[in-house]
Amino acid sequence: GQQVMQIPQYQHVQEGEDFTTYCNSSTTLSNIQWYKQRPGGHPVFLIQLVKSGEVKKQKRLTFQFGEAKKNSSLHITATQTTDVGTYFCAGPSYSGAGSYQLTFGKGTKLSVIP
Amino acid sequence: KAGVTQTPRYLIKTRGQQVTLSCSPISGHRSVSWYQQTPGQGLQFLFEYFSETQRNKGNFPGRFSGRQFSNSRSEMNVSTLELGDSALYLCASRTGQVQETQYFGPGTRLLVL
Repeated sequence: GQQVMQIPQYQHVQEGEDFTTYCNSSTTLSNIQWYKQRPGGHPVFLIQLVKSGEVKKQKRLTFQFGEAKKNSSLHITATQTTDVGTYFCAGPSYSGAGSYQLTFGKGTKLSVIP
Repeated sequence: KAGVTQTPRYLIKTRGQQVTLSCSPISGHRSVSWYQQTPGQGLQFLFEYFSETQRNKGNFPGRFSGRQFSNSRSEMNVSTLELGDSALYLCASRTGQVQETQYFGPGTRLLVL
């Protein structure tokens, strides 16, 4: 079945430093999605990338989808304490009868030292 | 629009008991999926329901079951609870259109003692 790998598992950065997490799928994806989960919270949808080579920005966050649609990255510029949390990438798979499921990476837990 | 709601938010059970969790999707969303989140295994897909039919099931034992009602509300049931069932159970809904993402509820934190 589809596997999604994500590295690193943990990242500790000084406030103001940049942060990047990488995601790699075992299969070509129709799209890739990114979620953020704050400590004690639930995954919150950040963005979906659909096109090969697509780059999208949300303020200090830059998301990239690889040309082969098998890898993706999330880059945060000048981290702030509000960026703390676990970032997950997820790829959908569609089975018979239109069924849908997301396969998640294990996530990258970001800690920001003030 | 109101988001996905889940009840209860927290639950403590003992081994051998059964539990039922409830999920109300975003209005207009007909697809409801359930996920289990644990520190060791991460987020794992349990099942998806669409228009009261289970369309897909993850790799979980038969103790895990679910259903969906005509108003798209969904329940999942876990029978004969084991310690390893302690987890955050997340429900997510979507309209069912291709390439459309899903939105998660706050989850139910289940602790099995």
